[in-house]
Amino acid sequence: EIVLTQSPGTLPLSPGERATLSCRASQSVNRDYLAWYQQKPGQAPRLLIYGAFSRATGIPDRFSGSGSGTDFTLTISRLEPEDFAVYYCQQYGSSVTFGGGTKVEIK
Amino acid sequence: EVQLLESGGGLEQPGRSLRLSCVASGLTFSNYAMSWVRQAPGKGLEWVSLIDGGGGTYYADSVKGRFTISRDNSRHTLSLQMNSLRAEDTAVYYCAKGAGNGYGLDYFDYWGQGTLVTVSS
Repeated sequence: EIVLTQSPGTLPLSPGERATLSCRASQSVNRDYLAWYQQKPGQAPRLLIYGAFSRATGIPDRFSGSGSGTDFTLTISRLEPEDFAVYYCQQYGSSVTFGGGTKVEIK
Repeated sequence: EVQLLESGGGLEQPGRSLRLSCVASGLTFSNYAMSWVRQAPGKGLEWVSLIDGGGGTYYADSVKGRFTISRDNSRHTLSLQMNSLRAEDTAVYYCAKGAGNGYGLDYFDYWGQGTLVTVSS
């Protein structure tokens, strides 16, 4: 099973700042089949990125994904108030696993 | 608009069984993989099981042999039969739609609002 480790666990930032979230896999993710989700309290997850760097429909371009192999990054170029949430990575190249999440909180 | 509506959650004792259902609308159901993902209270997401458009099934090790995923394309319904329940199965269970071509593993572009399963004596 591929284990995904997300860091940091918590990321305190201010609106307007840049957020950089990391997702590291215990082995190479097949075909870079890596997705990112956003989850707010009491809500279901929302798909942001798939295939490591492709934005899902309706996702603002301040969200971008990068990386390949075992190291992936989600970047939010300038945080908006609605972006404070928990973010999860998911790999779907070998079975399916989720990372433990990164909480982006207001500093 | 795609909508996924889960049902069947509730309180059940350890060792007993529970069956979850998810009714989908706004999509050609048979064309997509469907999955169950759970979230224990205050914890992260954990993938449980997936069934693809061809009926192929996949399970997390934590539920293999205890849970069975199935689908009824004529009724646009996804199901999860959960047997031999354990306290650690307590979670909100989400139904999620695969975004790809319907075969094999997938990422998920639509999610239901979830149904809470509590396993406790």
